[in-house]
Amino acid sequence: RKEVEQDPGPFNVPEGATVAFNCTYSNSASQSFFWYRQDCRKEPKLLMSVYSSGNEDGRFTAQLNRASQYISLLIRDSKLSDSATYLCVVIGGATNKLIFGTGTLLAVQP
Amino acid sequence: DTEVTQTPKHLVMGMTNKKSLKCEQHMGHRAMYWYKQKAKKPPELMFVYSYEKLSINESVPSRFSPECPNSSLLNLHLHALQPEDSALYLCASSQDGAGKGGANVLTFGAGSRLTVL
Repeated sequence: RKEVEQDPGPFNVPEGATVAFNCTYSNSASQSFFWYRQDCRKEPKLLMSVYSSGNEDGRFTAQLNRASQYISLLIRDSKLSDSATYLCVVIGGATNKLIFGTGTLLAVQP
Repeated sequence: DTEVTQTPKHLVMGMTNKKSLKCEQHMGHRAMYWYKQKAKKPPELMFVYSYEKLSINESVPSRFSPECPNSSLLNLHLHALQPEDSALYLCASSQDGAGKGGANVLTFGAGSRLTVL
């Protein structure tokens, strides 16, 4: 089992739709969690950190479920510009290394 | 504009060439990273420097040689590469030194796209 797993997609959704991605992690000692966004042929950029109590930034909501060891990202009112690969990042364990998930490709259709 | 600058943006080299990738940041970050990314895959960690010392080497072949001349600069020296080494090489930095507790938010450079012929 991979340390951090995501559904690769693609998720094809119409503009205005609500879409959610999950990311599961295997190390229960993981401490910090993030969502990054990567556009085609560009570098990853931080979208948002994920806090224990859940957090929201505009149309984006991130949740952490420690009991089931997953984080989620909810995007409301999808825009064409949301089309990208969404990577979850988990930090923790003995080495405190950042581990990337495999990424989920989102394609928002007009 | 990204706050982590990488040069060159594109590099084509033969298997016998020696070249270097360069990375620079002026955010006062104390940890710097090299990642390798193949198409449709997530970034794979290669090296981490923390306070200018190599703290993590993910069993990278010796044909890749990192160097951290100072806290703002990170180089990756390339020699005798193979065609399968063709990829996007991403540099990143974070505020805290790797291995310390707490969140380490990565800021990535735009990458150097390497093609080995």
